[in-house]
Amino acid sequence: DTAVSQTPKYLVTQMGNDKSIKCEQNLGHDTMYWYKQDSKKFLKIMFSYNNKELIINETVPNRFSPKSPDKAHLNLHINSLELGDSAVYFCASSWGGEQYFGPGTRLTVT
Amino acid sequence: DAKTTQPPSMDCAEGRAANLPCNHSTISGNEYVYWYRQIHSQGPQYIIHGLKNNETNEMASLIITEDRKSSTLILPHATLRDTAVYYCIVESSGAGSYQLTFGKGTKLSVIP
Repeated sequence: DTAVSQTPKYLVTQMGNDKSIKCEQNLGHDTMYWYKQDSKKFLKIMFSYNNKELIINETVPNRFSPKSPDKAHLNLHINSLELGDSAVYFCASSWGGEQYFGPGTRLTVT
Repeated sequence: DAKTTQPPSMDCAEGRAANLPCNHSTISGNEYVYWYRQIHSQGPQYIIHGLKNNETNEMASLIITEDRKSSTLILPHATLRDTAVYYCIVESSGAGSYQLTFGKGTKLSVIP
């Protein structure tokens, strides 16, 4: 069974579009995260939710809006996509300090 | 910014021990040292963590110096599948969330 899953795995879209990436974890963890890994392979935290409450919101444009309908899900919605949004987005969940990452969603904005 | 310093790359012969160093001279008393790795194109994978004492699990051993300013991750018998980027992270926590700040990591190449 997949612990942390993301859909879609690949997403190709045009500038200006709105898209969503879904994340689900079946580990029973209270905390979930979104990370962005750019073309230079730097991995940076974007958001953190604990029990459906936003805890960390790094300097991310307002076009990015996380939504947590329940503890097992943390979706990422992106409005008005820009070329610079092209990256791999990883979802993660944690119990204590150990974080478990999903397989990533490669977003390409053309 | 990451609170750790790691060499950008290392090579290790297959079957030998891989020793990956990490400096974290500004670590606070309640901060843990975590190690993760990322195999090409996959999500990062948790390896091990520690506070003061040395730790060992089925994947690796973590040796932390007495002053906690540096640590070493040891993969006792490296295999080709251990080729990955290894990240040493000093973890800061608060409000039920743990913020991992990833640096550039060490690219470990295990050579046949």
